Amino acid sequence: QVQLVQSGAEVKKPGASVKVSCKASGYTFTSYGISWVRQAPGQGLEWMGWISAYNGNTNYAQKLQGRVTMTTDTSTSTAYMELRSLRSDDTAVYYCARSRPSVTTFLGYWGQGTLVTVSS
Amino acid sequence: EIVMTQSPATLSVSPGERATLSCRASQSVSSNLAWYQQKPGQAPRLLIYGASTRATGIPARFSGSGSGTEFTLTISSLQSEDFAVYYCQQYNNWPRFGQGTKLEIK
Repeated sequence: QVQLVQSGAEVKKPGASVKVSCKASGYTFTSYGISWVRQAPGQGLEWMGWISAYNGNTNYAQKLQGRVTMTTDTSTSTAYMELRSLRSDDTAVYYCARSRPSVTTFLGYWGQGTLVTVSS
Repeated sequence: EIVMTQSPATLSVSPGERATLSCRASQSVSSNLAWYQQKPGQAPRLLIYGASTRATGIPARFSGSGSGTEFTLTISSLQSEDFAVYYCQQYNNWPRFGQGTKLEIK
């Protein structure tokens, strides 16, 4: 069965960086993409971006351009999302989700989420 | 930028009754619309894609309809496990979610 297992919770200071991992299993990793979605406490869902696990092509939300980098390691079927220059409003649960091989995708399978807390 | 607007923000319905949730797009998204269910402390779960196709394992009491700019999620006979927050999402271009509808027990 398809599974996405994310890394554990993180606490970071403002200005620091965080890197969240998402290990996929149960399907051919390079046949799909991975999207990242975040959810601030008590708020709705925000799409952060998408990466093709086939060729590494990326598409990021405009508001995060320059601060976010998404990568994959096909040898371990793992996707990564790094967010830099963290601010308090980056505090959120970050989800990875399996996507179609295109940014225009719905999300069929989700990771369990990773809480990132940004606090001084 | 396509804006997705869900209504109502909160819907109070009794178990066994029908619930109807709405989602409107600021411009046409064709049938490129998905619905998700999210319970507290859990990741969202895909219910519907292509506006009306149920995802694997989703009960038949969940149905989606609409195209263009107006969409509806209907839950025909509410079970206790259906009380949750529901999000619509367009994927006709850059994906965007609606703000959610909280379905609560009346």
